[in-house]
Amino acid sequence: GAGVSQSPSNKVTEKGKDVELRCDPISGHTALYWYRQSLGQGLEFLIYFQGNSAPDKSGLPSDRFSAERTGGSVSTLTIQRTQQEDSAVYLCASSLPDGGQRVNTGELFFGEGSRLTVL
Amino acid sequence: RKEVEQDPGPFNVPEGATVAFNCTYSNSASQSFFWYRQDCRKEPKLLMSVYSSGNEDGRFTAQLNRASQYISLLIRDSKLSDSATYLCVVSRGTGGSYIPTFGRGTSLIVHP
Repeated sequence: GAGVSQSPSNKVTEKGKDVELRCDPISGHTALYWYRQSLGQGLEFLIYFQGNSAPDKSGLPSDRFSAERTGGSVSTLTIQRTQQEDSAVYLCASSLPDGGQRVNTGELFFGEGSRLTVL
Repeated sequence: RKEVEQDPGPFNVPEGATVAFNCTYSNSASQSFFWYRQDCRKEPKLLMSVYSSGNEDGRFTAQLNRASQYISLLIRDSKLSDSATYLCVVSRGTGGSYIPTFGRGTSLIVHP
């Protein structure tokens, strides 16, 4: 299958520990998004990568959150000094802008998510 | 005011019923509109795009009213398998960024 792959699928950690979540997008997709979804809540935008452009980090909730995308493909979301309120499902999605344009009007393909529980 | 607002429901309907969901958005510069479906503990998946002229896909009809900044989804002849959360998604591009904003979703339960 050539879908979006995320790992780990489940992560339980202790408060104060750092965690890394990985996303492997669909091959050829230049746009990559991270969202998070808390129980019973909607999707909250975190960060957006588009090609070689500087990422849009406007959704990151604090400086404990960071993300990088190496070689325009795999992305890692890092949460430092985790807090209980960081517990959520972290969803990665990739997309291919229409006609290679920077404005994306296409479908987002989501991974199955990484469920993070901070004790 | 939230950028995308939906009635969370749940909408509890019998099989065969027709049900309609509404969504409003606050930013008049929004460019693209979608309905996604999310099953329990699963990832969201695209149900259909929404066009100004309205569009239909089988039992599903989506409408967009730009003047009122309002999107709707109509499901006819509901099936048990339609039970899910339906997410309204609105996107706009600014300065090279294109960020789809998701509503909190409307829960649909179809019962026998």
